[in-house]
Amino acid sequence: GDSVTQMEGPVTLSEEAFLTINCTYTATGYPSLFWYVQYPGEGLQLLLKATKADDKGSNKGFEATYRKETTSFHLEKGSVQVSDSAVYFCALEGSYIPTFGRGTSLIVHP
Amino acid sequence: DAGVTQSPTHLIKTRGQQVTLRCSPKSGHDTVSWYQQALGQGPQFIFQYYEEEERQRGNFPDRFSGHQFPNYSSELNVNALLLGDSALYLCASSFVLAGGGETQYFGPGTRLLVL
Repeated sequence: GDSVTQMEGPVTLSEEAFLTINCTYTATGYPSLFWYVQYPGEGLQLLLKATKADDKGSNKGFEATYRKETTSFHLEKGSVQVSDSAVYFCALEGSYIPTFGRGTSLIVHP
Repeated sequence: DAGVTQSPTHLIKTRGQQVTLRCSPKSGHDTVSWYQQALGQGPQFIFQYYEEEERQRGNFPDRFSGHQFPNYSSELNVNALLLGDSALYLCASSFVLAGGGETQYFGPGTRLLVL
């Protein structure tokens, strides 16, 4: 079946550092790919998405490119802020059934 | 515009009991999905409802059942509760875009503790 693998956290960075959170997937066909963010005590919010190969999703300074050849969808941000501290989930949606990774906790220090 | 709402926010039950969780979708949305999120894990898809029918189901036993009402709100029922059912239960609503693809909006969740 479909699966999503994310790098384990926590990822700890200083403010203004560069962020990369790795995500790879296994799926049949051509799934849509997503990054969600979950702030403490809240539900998930869609951060960005890409629906086909080579698409780049972007939002709030975050970016991720759908790489079919490497089955990856790594999340990047050039300069993180303390307010970016949260748990980030990579997900795919193939045949209607969404599959999520285990999440990567990001902690940003001032 | 109210987003996705869920009730109750917290619930404590004992093993063997039954529980019902409720979800109201975002205005204009006609599809509701339910997820179970165990502590430190990603959400696991339970099932999705569209037009009052279960459209897709994840790998969950029949103890988990649901319903969607004509106003698109939904209930998740879990029978014969086990300790392992303790989790955050998330509801997400969506609508099908004209060009295909759906964007899900999640509620804040119901935290269920089974003792």
